[in-house]
Amino acid sequence: SYELTQPPSVSVSPGQTASITCSGYRLGYDYAYWYQQKAGQSPVLVISQDNRRPSGIPERFSGSNSGNTATLTISGTRAMDEADYYCQAWDSSTVVFGGGTKLTVL
Amino acid sequence: QVQLQESGPGLMKPSETLSLTCTVSGAPISRYYWSWIRQPPGKGLEWIGYVYYSGSTNYSPSLKSRVTISVDTSKNLFSLKLTSVTAADTAVYYCATGGRSGYTFDYWGQGTLVTVSS
Repeated sequence: SYELTQPPSVSVSPGQTASITCSGYRLGYDYAYWYQQKAGQSPVLVISQDNRRPSGIPERFSGSNSGNTATLTISGTRAMDEADYYCQAWDSSTVVFGGGTKLTVL
Repeated sequence: QVQLQESGPGLMKPSETLSLTCTVSGAPISRYYWSWIRQPPGKGLEWIGYVYYSGSTNYSPSLKSRVTISVDTSKNLFSLKLTSVTAADTAVYYCATGGRSGYTFDYWGQGTLVTVSS
């Protein structure tokens, strides 16, 4: 079955750039999506179709997808960005989520 | 703005059938794809499946034998049934939609915790 692999945790200092990766054997041929989930809340879509920001998502969130790795980049990270982040793709009519990455803003 | 609200029992016993309903407001259910996703406590997200307003469905291969998702256009809601539950089915269950896509999720409900315990 298709799997997406994310690092369990990433740490970043306020104001710096955070990068969260998502790897899958053919991810570059599919669209990647990214969700932010803060503690006790429902997930929020922050990146759609590799690099599109939905309405209301700050410009500091961006995405890329090439080869077998998609990357979520948060520029000028703020304390409010501390959350779990999940990548998602679909393959053969099946939705797959990555295991999630806990972003800590130190 | 699309709003989704899950409802259903919070506590169940093993072997029972889980039934959840998602009430949709702000959008006609007779147009888009409607999905269920779950999250065990402290763990990641797991896709369960979707229903299209026409009634066609697509389920996760790992749950397909136990899952039924249906839509009621007259009441603007859709439902999830999961048979023969075990403790492994304990999770927060979310309903969600990506509008014209069954494979992305722009709007989510607040989630409802279902605990399976004897």
